[in-house]
Amino acid sequence: GQNIDQPTEMTATEGAIVQINCTYQTSGFNGLFWYQQHAGEAPTFLSYNVLDGLEEKGRFSSFLSRSKGYSYLLLKELQMKDSASYLCAVRDSNYQLIWGAGTKLIIKP
Amino acid sequence: GAVVSQHPSRVICKSGTSVKIECRSLDFQATTMFWYRQFPKQSLMLMATSNEGSKATYEQGVEKDKFLINHASLTLSTLTVTSAHPEDSSFYICSAVMGTGSSPLHFGNGTRLTVT
Repeated sequence: GQNIDQPTEMTATEGAIVQINCTYQTSGFNGLFWYQQHAGEAPTFLSYNVLDGLEEKGRFSSFLSRSKGYSYLLLKELQMKDSASYLCAVRDSNYQLIWGAGTKLIIKP
Repeated sequence: GAVVSQHPSRVICKSGTSVKIECRSLDFQATTMFWYRQFPKQSLMLMATSNEGSKATYEQGVEKDKFLINHASLTLSTLTVTSAHPEDSSFYICSAVMGTGSSPLHFGNGTRLTVT
């Protein structure tokens, strides 16, 4: 079966750095996405990785290792508004998106 | 760019009535639209995938006669919840994608449905 694992919840301090991990086992691979979802709102697109390595976008970076079936989202200089759920999703060989359950990130002052 | 508009954002209806939710891609043509539902503190659950001009593909366990999907054009898809029951109360979110490959899904703002 297809599976995506991410931690259920993480806590970090304002101004700090946090890394949210995602591991996947899917039928094929056609890219990995990270989305941010605030409570009661729809997800918003953060990043996309299809090749191994690090993609940096401002305070957010995403890393992919296809051989390990592993990705992480790195958030720097955390702000209170970063409190949200972060969803990892993998596009499989049929271009279907497989979603992780999301990681709820709590930022404390 | 890549804006998806979903309407209404909130709706309250009585049991037995039907509710229509619209999803529009405002600045691009969506080859495929997806409908998700999400219960509190849970992840997104794909309900169906729709391509313009063809019948929607429903996920296992989703009743196609209850959740009617119409994808009339490359910019509009509608989800109609027929004969709604309280257990249909949920957050419904549409998303649209242009092409495949690296194109991400762009989500509408979601519709909070409450069935009384």
